[in-house]
Amino acid sequence: ETGVTQSPTHLIKTRGQQVTLRCSSQSGHNTVSWYQQALGQGPQFIFQYYREEENGRGNFPPRFSGLQFPNYSSELNVNALELDDSALYLCASSLGYSPDTQYFGPGTRLTVL
Amino acid sequence: GQQLNQSPQSMFIQEGEDVSMNCTSSSIFNTWLWYKQDPGEGPVLLIALYKAGELTSNGRLTAQFGITRKDSFLNISASIPSDVGIYFCAGPQGGSEKLVFGKGTKLTVNP
Repeated sequence: ETGVTQSPTHLIKTRGQQVTLRCSSQSGHNTVSWYQQALGQGPQFIFQYYREEENGRGNFPPRFSGLQFPNYSSELNVNALELDDSALYLCASSLGYSPDTQYFGPGTRLTVL
Repeated sequence: GQQLNQSPQSMFIQEGEDVSMNCTSSSIFNTWLWYKQDPGEGPVLLIALYKAGELTSNGRLTAQFGITRKDSFLNISASIPSDVGIYFCAGPQGGSEKLVFGKGTKLTVNP
């Protein structure tokens, strides 16, 4: 059974640029949730995708967008990067959207200069 | 929105000691989750609690769902070096799919 994987591991961008982060779900999972974890903080919910449709969104601006593909892998896109977007971005997959069945990936560390 | 307050923020203990940490909220939660995060890794679920007053164990870990539904506690007995990490409480906001996390308790265990 393959766990949740994320790519890239680390990324450095400059203000104003755009970034795409990728997540492969654990085998058999149809739901992906994305979280932003700033240094010294707990993860903050960005949004969730269930069967390719957005199924809930946290308090993040529209420049944070996502996609889920038919194989249930997912992308997180962030436009017009700001310095405060520097964080660890985590994705978690689950079967259905029950939060207690989420398995987290190792995250992508994004640094915005 | 709902916020979770964890305490203490950090703990420095000797190997073999017991550890207690807690999590409080101004709002009611119907589910409490406890996670551990190691450096460079995502959080890993340790214990899930579903009912007020529930006490659940996972090895040396014991967690309780407060009877007011506004708090939860995690205890670690006989700590070992591999217990080092950051422990987070979390719960679904308003019973939705949106998971809310506390800021974490950082545990350091001295051998």
